[in-house]
Amino acid sequence: AQSVTQPDIHITVSEGASLELRCNYSYGATPYLFWYVQSPGQGLQLLLKYFSGDTLVQGIKGFEAEFKRSQSSFNLRKPSVHWSDAAEYFCAVGVVEYGNKLVFGAGTILRVKS
Amino acid sequence: DTAVSQTPKYLVTQMGNDKSIKCEQNLGHDTMYWYKQDSKKFLKIMFSYNNKELIINETVPNRFSPKSPDKAHLNLHINSLELGDSAVYFCASSHTSTGQAGGYTFGSGTRLTVV
Repeated sequence: AQSVTQPDIHITVSEGASLELRCNYSYGATPYLFWYVQSPGQGLQLLLKYFSGDTLVQGIKGFEAEFKRSQSSFNLRKPSVHWSDAAEYFCAVGVVEYGNKLVFGAGTILRVKS
Repeated sequence: DTAVSQTPKYLVTQMGNDKSIKCEQNLGHDTMYWYKQDSKKFLKIMFSYNNKELIINETVPNRFSPKSPDKAHLNLHINSLELGDSAVYFCASSHTSTGQAGGYTFGSGTRLTVV
């Protein structure tokens, strides 16, 4: 079965420091991978997506992610975190069998300290 | 504005009641979804509809009945509400053929509280 693992429930970084959020997936076919961000009380906003081509993808708000097939990973990175980045981040894999759907990881809560 | 819009944003109701949540998208997408986010923030698909046809029903209790009058609308009706139904319900939409590549657009969610 398809699954997504985000090993870190919480991460705290200092403002201006670099960030990496980990994501590992389990999926038999070529994965379509997404990162979404959810601010408190808000909906889900798409940060970036990977479906083919260059394995380093750029997203909004200065985020990037790298797809590594050999490691079944799609880690999210940002070189310098801003206080406004504090939110919950969800990694997801798109499953095409039996209809399109997203399978989400459990999320990583990012706290930014000044 | 092009978007996925859900109403109501908040819904507080008593156990045993019946309630509906409405969703509309003006993005021209042909597939719509309902996702449930539980108290631990875990997101899981409930249903998907493609051009008004039910595609995915992810072992959801039959107290939950989605209805899609047209491809721009997907409503969720819940009968005999239970405490465990308390959650945030998200509507989403995508293009079927490019759903994977184009991503999904989510509504802002409906926070349902059953008391």
